[in-house]
Amino acid sequence: DAGITQSPRHKVTETGTPVTLRCHQTENHRYMYWYRQDPGHGLRLIHYSYGVKDTDKGEVSDGYSVSRSKTEDFLLTLESATSSQTSVYFCAISEQVRTNTEAFFGQGTRLTVV
Amino acid sequence: AQTVTQSQPEMSVQEAETVTLSCTYDTSESDYYLFWYKQPPSRQMILVIRQEAYKQQNATENRFSVNFQKAAKSFSLKISDSQLGDAAMYFCAWVNTGKLIFGQGTTLQVKP
Repeated sequence: DAGITQSPRHKVTETGTPVTLRCHQTENHRYMYWYRQDPGHGLRLIHYSYGVKDTDKGEVSDGYSVSRSKTEDFLLTLESATSSQTSVYFCAISEQVRTNTEAFFGQGTRLTVV
Repeated sequence: AQTVTQSQPEMSVQEAETVTLSCTYDTSESDYYLFWYKQPPSRQMILVIRQEAYKQQNATENRFSVNFQKAAKSFSLKISDSQLGDAAMYFCAWVNTGKLIFGQGTTLQVKP
């Protein structure tokens, strides 16, 4: 299994509080991603990174920020959590060279905003 | 902007029969990769099959095969001899130089 871990695995937080989710990889892959999974919407891309300090927005980036100060860590921050951000969050990594394009996923983080 | 659309929220198949899951995508890029991922109730994401856009030959992996129609921007997954363990949510995905986009998913039920 690819070395990718998410923390925490479960979190309950109150509306208006900041929350940070962490994704850590041991594969030295270039690309890292944050998705949220909601019924009927599949996996929606929040932000992704293509290198240290290089990030870009996905389709549902409002209310989220990210940082990647080291190759192995990609942090997702909810500046002020809202109930609409209750979801399951997945981190993924990928190298994306010609012969190795598979993405590997973390176990997911279930976030509940009350 | 790139989009991936799976128009079948749910599908069902009888064990040992064949089922096809549909996927369409929209992109102006000419070189990209397409994938099908499986997500069982454990939430683990498992790669089922991949297709490189510059290859015309359809990819196959044992009981899984794709029908890749580049001009039509269509990428369907065929599962032959369906097994109970195939029951899961299936996601179609597109990637090009970093951006990895998924469809809404299709839940596959396999009936014994």
